[in-house]
Amino acid sequence: DIVMTQTPLSSPVTLGQPASISCRSSQSLVHSDGNTYLSWLQQRPGQPPRLLIYKISNRFSGVPDRFSGSGAGTDFTLKISRVEAEDVGLYYCMQATQFPRTFGQGTKVEIK
Amino acid sequence: QVQLVQSGAEVKKPGASVKVSCKASGYSFTSYDVNWVRQATGQGLEWMGWMNPNSGNTGYAQKFQGRVTLTRNTSISTAYMELSSLRSDDTAVYYCARGSRVTEHWGQGTLVTVSS
Repeated sequence: DIVMTQTPLSSPVTLGQPASISCRSSQSLVHSDGNTYLSWLQQRPGQPPRLLIYKISNRFSGVPDRFSGSGAGTDFTLKISRVEAEDVGLYYCMQATQFPRTFGQGTKVEIK
Repeated sequence: QVQLVQSGAEVKKPGASVKVSCKASGYSFTSYDVNWVRQATGQGLEWMGWMNPNSGNTGYAQKFQGRVTLTRNTSISTAYMELSSLRSDDTAVYYCARGSRVTEHWGQGTLVTVSS
């Protein structure tokens, strides 16, 4: 199975300041079709997960442009350019290049 | 709009089975795979398996092989996840999610509590 490792596990951030989350996979996530199936999910308290970013850097419909994704191969990053109060929650990376799908441990974003 | 509406909370005894439903609307049910993911309280996300509603093909995480069964009823656009031989550590919120390699839409979750 592909192991997904996120850092940090907790990220206290001041409102209006940037935040960054790293995700590293134990194997390359490049699929034989040329795509890299790395997604970022947000889970607000008491809510189901919500797709933010897919295929490394594509924002899903309705996702604010302060969220951006980057990376390649085995190293990926989610950035929030200016954290807002509604961004508090858990963030997960997820790979769908291989079965079984696997997730990072989650990173908690909270306001200082 | 796309919606996945799951069945309500369940309380089961150890050794029993539970069947959770996921009713899809707002899109062609047979055009997108359905994944099942669970989350124990205070824990991360754990992928259980997937199903192609058109063909009925399924795939399961090794951890759940032999205990989980994914099915569907295309006439009512509903996917099902049945988990058998329940243990206390199966207590979790179970989610369905649409999409093969990109899980675009998620159900609201179903809490399954296993307790004697």
